[in-house]
Amino acid sequence: NAGVTQTPKFQVLKTGQSMTLQCAQDMNHEYMSWYRQDPGMGLRLIHYSVGAGITDQGEVPNGYNVSRSTTEDFPLRLLSAAPSQTSVYFCASSRLDRSYEQYFGPGTRLTVT
Amino acid sequence: AQTVTQSQPEMSVQEAETVTLSCTYDTSESDYYLFWYKQPPSRQMILVIRQEAYKQQNATENRFSVNFQKAAKSFSLKISDSQLGDAAMYFCAYRSAKGSNYKLTFGKGTLLTVNP
Repeated sequence: NAGVTQTPKFQVLKTGQSMTLQCAQDMNHEYMSWYRQDPGMGLRLIHYSVGAGITDQGEVPNGYNVSRSTTEDFPLRLLSAAPSQTSVYFCASSRLDRSYEQYFGPGTRLTVT
Repeated sequence: AQTVTQSQPEMSVQEAETVTLSCTYDTSESDYYLFWYKQPPSRQMILVIRQEAYKQQNATENRFSVNFQKAAKSFSLKISDSQLGDAAMYFCAYRSAKGSNYKLTFGKGTLLTVNP
């Protein structure tokens, strides 16, 4: 049972490049989400999904796309990277039970130059 | 929209002593859940403790306990017998108990240093 996995762990992009951050979970969780963590800002929700085929925006969705074709995977796409997207990105999953904790992946540190 | 405020950007404690981290939140809802997460230097987010708003009894997990004051919208974390491994960033988080929104709203965090 690997929990929540994220790849890559580190990435450097040039402005304008695109990339996909991968997230997978093996706990059969319905709910998955992406956060970004910036110094002094806590974690802010980018996008989330309550099941395969269902996604919605969080509080900072601009510049990011997501899709959920399977229960296990929830990739985050940066279409045209900007320096403002330099951050640490966390994927999390949980059951559709609000008392249930969210399990977090190890994070991806992204630098956009 | 709900907001979570952690007014102490940094705290320090001596090993074996007790420390309390503060958290306040703003909501118009009566039913919700509150969480404390720990983020050590490894960056991994780890759940420390959770509290259901409908429960009057404060949650405890070994050396970790909370002081939940619903009317004051306060949710502080007490760490007893502090250990070097407790050094980390601590985040308070809020989650609604109703509706279609399952998101966690986080505070900005408190960096805890444990001095030997």
